[in-house]
Amino acid sequence: AQSVTQPDIHITVSEGASLELRCNYSYGATPYLFWYVQSPGQGLQLLLKYFSGDTLVQGIKGFEAEFKRSQSSFNLRKPSVHWSDAAEYFCAVATSGTYKYIFGTGTRLKVLA
Amino acid sequence: DVKVTQSSRYLVKRTGEKVFLECVQDMDHENMFWYRQDPGLGLRLIYFSYDVKMKEKGDIPEGYSVSREKKERFSLILESASTNQTSMYLCASLITSGLSPTYNEQFFGPGTRLTVL
Repeated sequence: AQSVTQPDIHITVSEGASLELRCNYSYGATPYLFWYVQSPGQGLQLLLKYFSGDTLVQGIKGFEAEFKRSQSSFNLRKPSVHWSDAAEYFCAVATSGTYKYIFGTGTRLKVLA
Repeated sequence: DVKVTQSSRYLVKRTGEKVFLECVQDMDHENMFWYRQDPGLGLRLIYFSYDVKMKEKGDIPEGYSVSREKKERFSLILESASTNQTSMYLCASLITSGLSPTYNEQFFGPGTRLTVL
């Protein structure tokens, strides 16, 4: 069965530091991969997605992610974190043919001033 | 911009009440989804619909039903609310046309935080 693992429940970084959030998936075929962000009390907003092609994907708010098939990973990165990036981040994989997503359990990011 | 709206941000109900959560999207999306979000569990799919009057069970459909009479509206129904249904409920919609630049992206509403007493 398909699954998505976000091994870090909480991450704390200082403002201006770099960030990497980990995501591993289990899926037989080439997956459709997504990163979403959820600010407190809000719905989810798409940061970026990967369907095919270039394995380094640029998203909004200065985020990027790299698809590594050999490691079954799709880690999210940002070179310099801003206080407004404090939120919860979800990785998701789409199952082909049904448009259903499987979400990871999320990583809550705290940013220190 | 795609807009997905949910009828209430906060809702408090009593055990045994019938509860309706409404979701409306304005971009003619074919697919719509209902999730519940609980701390440490991420988002879990309750039901989804791929067309008017069509629905499929997700991973946790027990205690819930859905209705989709019009393309833009997808309702989640708790037939008899219980305390273990206290949660954040999120609605999403998605377009399946490969010609759309937002193909296969789920757009989310702001969520409804339901408390069942």
